[in-house]
Amino acid sequence: NAGVTQTPKFRVLKTGQSMTLLCAQDMNHEYMYWYRQDPGMGLRLIHYSVGEGTTAKGEVPDGYNVSRLKKQNFLLGLESAAPSQTSVYFCASSTSRERVAWQPQHFGDGTRLSIL
Amino acid sequence: SQQGEEDPQALSIQEGENATMNCSYKTSINNLQWYRQNSGRGLVHLILIRSNEREKHSGRLRVTLDTSKKSSSLLITASRAADTASYFCATLRSGSARQLTFGSGTQLTVLP
Repeated sequence: NAGVTQTPKFRVLKTGQSMTLLCAQDMNHEYMYWYRQDPGMGLRLIHYSVGEGTTAKGEVPDGYNVSRLKKQNFLLGLESAAPSQTSVYFCASSTSRERVAWQPQHFGDGTRLSIL
Repeated sequence: SQQGEEDPQALSIQEGENATMNCSYKTSINNLQWYRQNSGRGLVHLILIRSNEREKHSGRLRVTLDTSKKSSSLLITASRAADTASYFCATLRSGSARQLTFGSGTQLTVLP
């Protein structure tokens, strides 16, 4: 049981380039999330999805787009990468079963992205 | 903006000692969760305490919640070198069914 898998694990981009980060979960979870983690800042929510075909903005959505075409996958896109987007990106998922507010989030191991 | 703030930012103790880290938050919450992050890995959920609970235990973990002071503490008893990690509190705000807000974390080092 892989849980939450993120690809790639590392990537270096030049300013202005685009790329897509992939998150896949095999737990049949309804909810999926994208966070970024910067030194001393904790995790900040970028976008999230409550189900296939639906997405919503989080705390820091600017410069990112997302898509949830399949229940198990959640894609994060950078259309024109900027140095300020250098960060570690984490994907998480959680179930929407009864009492969703009490459900923990399950995290992948992150994608380390550097924008030069 | 950060909802939770951990204190201290870093903590170093000897194996076998207890470790206490604190979390303060700003708004009314539904529940508060603690996560652990080992170096280079994702976060792992440790324990959740609801807003109407005051204390909760799970193995060597003890979490307290004081909603009047908007604060929580995580106690790890009889620490082990394997407990070395960053610890984050995360709050689920009242009225928000889905969005967790994470603090900046406490880096715990347990020396053998």
